[in-house]
Formats: sequence, C-alpha cells, structure tokens
Amino acid sequence: GENVEQHPSTLSVQEGDSAVIKCTYSDSASNYFPWYKQELGKRPQLIIDIRSNVGEKKDQRIAVTLNKTAKHFSLHITETQPEDSAVYFCAAAAGNMLTFGGGTRLMVKP
Amino acid sequence: DAGVIQSPRHEVTEMGQEVTLRCKPISGHNSLFWYRQTMMRGLELLIYFNNNVPIDDSGMPEDRFSAKMPNASFSTLKIQPSEPRDSAVYFCASSFQTGTGELFFGEGSRLTVL
Repeated sequence: GENVEQHPSTLSVQEGDSAVIKCTYSDSASNYFPWYKQELGKRPQLIIDIRSNVGEKKDQRIAVTLNKTAKHFSLHITETQPEDSAVYFCAAAAGNMLTFGGGTRLMVKP
Repeated sequence: DAGVIQSPRHEVTEMGQEVTLRCKPISGHNSLFWYRQTMMRGLELLIYFNNNVPIDDSGMPEDRFSAKMPNASFSTLKIQPSEPRDSAVYFCASSFQTGTGELFFGEGSRLTVL
C-alpha cells in the first residue's frame, strides 16, 4: 500500500519568515495530494490540494508543489503568522484510500 | 449542513467495557471513513465505506473492533472489549468521491480506557 513520509516533525519559525514542509510517497499511482491543518484540540481541515496533472498551486500565502518523477510534494507558507501555528498533515490518495503523513508541528513565534 | 456529527465527544470507560462511537456523515456524501489519532501513530485509517458497503477494513487493529453502516446517514465503530491501548481520538470523515474529493472530518470522539 501507499506510504507517506513527512518532514520535519517539528518546525519553529519567526513570524514573517517562510515555512516549508516536505512529503514523499511510494505509490506512483497516487494522483491526489491534499494538505490538512489541525489546530490544537480541533479537527483536521483541508487547506489546499493538488492533483497530479499540475506541478504547482497557490492560494494567497500558501503554495504546494508536486514532483511526480521524484514522488515528493511540498507545502510552502510565506509571511507566517502566529495563527499558522498548528499541526500540518500531507496525504496521498492511491486508488480509493487517503494515506496521511506523520504530521508537522509548526510553531510561529511572534 | 451541520457537517459530520460524532458522538460522544468524550468517553471514559474501564478496561473490558464495550464502547460504541457514532457518526452522521454530511448528507449526500457517499464515502465514510473512520480514523484513529494518537501521538505515537498519527492518523490511521481504520475502515472506509463506499455507498454503505465496507471497502477496506485492513486498518482495523483486531477482532475487538467492528464497524457498521446500516444506512447512508449513520455509522458506528464498536470496541469490545476495550483496552487501555485503545485510548485515542477517533475521527469520522466523509466525502463525496472516495480518495479524490475533500475529506470532511467530524470533531472527533476522545476515548480514554482506564
């Protein structure tokens, strides 16, 4: 089955700096790559996703890139703010199942 | 729509007791997923249903766990007998298209087994 690795597990940045989270996946058949944000004590919520027919997608301060050849994808957050502090999960869909990475705890220091 | 609704939000029980977690997916969604979240293992998919039919239950840890979806608007996850290592947050999620559509999570059921 699909295996998704996510790095780093924790990331601390200064407010205003950029943050980058990277994921790799194993199944070349995966074609859908969403990112979820989970605030403390809350449910995971979709923040952005990308499909295999595009290499990059941007939504205001967040962007995702996908390299299908290398089987990796990344989340970029620019101009980080304290409210960006949360756990971020990448995921990959191979067939009918969504497999999540282990999560990255992002801390934005004011 | 009120979103995915789970109950109970919190459950504290003693080892050996039966636990039943409930989920109402978003109306019109045809796929339903049960996930378990722990610090050690992250978000694990336990089972998913498509059109009320269980498609993959390979993530169910052992025979003590069972899940049902008797109709499109209701699903249960049962643990019998419960053990302390079952303590976790259990999330139910639903989507319109399995694997290719946005997954909407419920608020989770936090289970503590003493």
